Amino acid sequence: NAGVTQTPKFQVLKTGQSMTLQCAQDMNHNSMYWYRQDPGMGLRLIYYSASEGTTDKGEVPNGYNVSRLNKREFSLRLESAAPSQTSVYFCASSGRTGGVRETQYFGPGTRLLVL
Amino acid sequence: DQQVKQNSPSLSVQEGRISILNCDYTNSMFDYFLWYKKYPAEGPTFLISISSIKDKNEDGRFTVFLNKSAKHLSLHIVPSQPGDSAVYFCAASVNFGNEKLTFGTGTRLTIIP
Repeated sequence: NAGVTQTPKFQVLKTGQSMTLQCAQDMNHNSMYWYRQDPGMGLRLIYYSASEGTTDKGEVPNGYNVSRLNKREFSLRLESAAPSQTSVYFCASSGRTGGVRETQYFGPGTRLLVL
Repeated sequence: DQQVKQNSPSLSVQEGRISILNCDYTNSMFDYFLWYKKYPAEGPTFLISISSIKDKNEDGRFTVFLNKSAKHLSLHIVPSQPGDSAVYFCAASVNFGNEKLTFGTGTRLTIIP
């Protein structure tokens, strides 16, 4: 049981390049999330998916797209990277136990540097 | 517009003493609050939560207090241990839910041996 996994761990991009951050969870959770963490800003929600086939914008969605490929996987795509997207990206997932929402479980993060 | 605020970026406490981390919020619709702990190069991990129908929740050495009228919550760690050194994030949500969490900026706690 690996929990939430993210790839890659670290990536350097040039301005204008594209890339996809991958996230997978093995806890059979319905809900998945993408956050970014910047110094002095805490974690901010980019996009989330309440269930397979649905996605919704969070607080800072501009410049990003997401795909909920199946129940396990939720990817985040940067079509044209900008220096302002330099950040640490965290994926998370949550489920329900007996109808009660569980807490969110986070992956280890992806450090992205855009030059 | 920072709806969840942690005004102390850092805090140092002697081992064995009490650590008190504070969090303020502005959105009166928040009704569920959580604390997460984060070590370097790792993702945040859930620590403790409280719903607005309570004013206190305890779990071992960790206690969270909620003052709804002041829109303030605090995390008490007693006694503090070296392994508690980490960044602590306060988070809040509406509808007693756990989706679309709004996080504070974090407080770095250092426990001095």
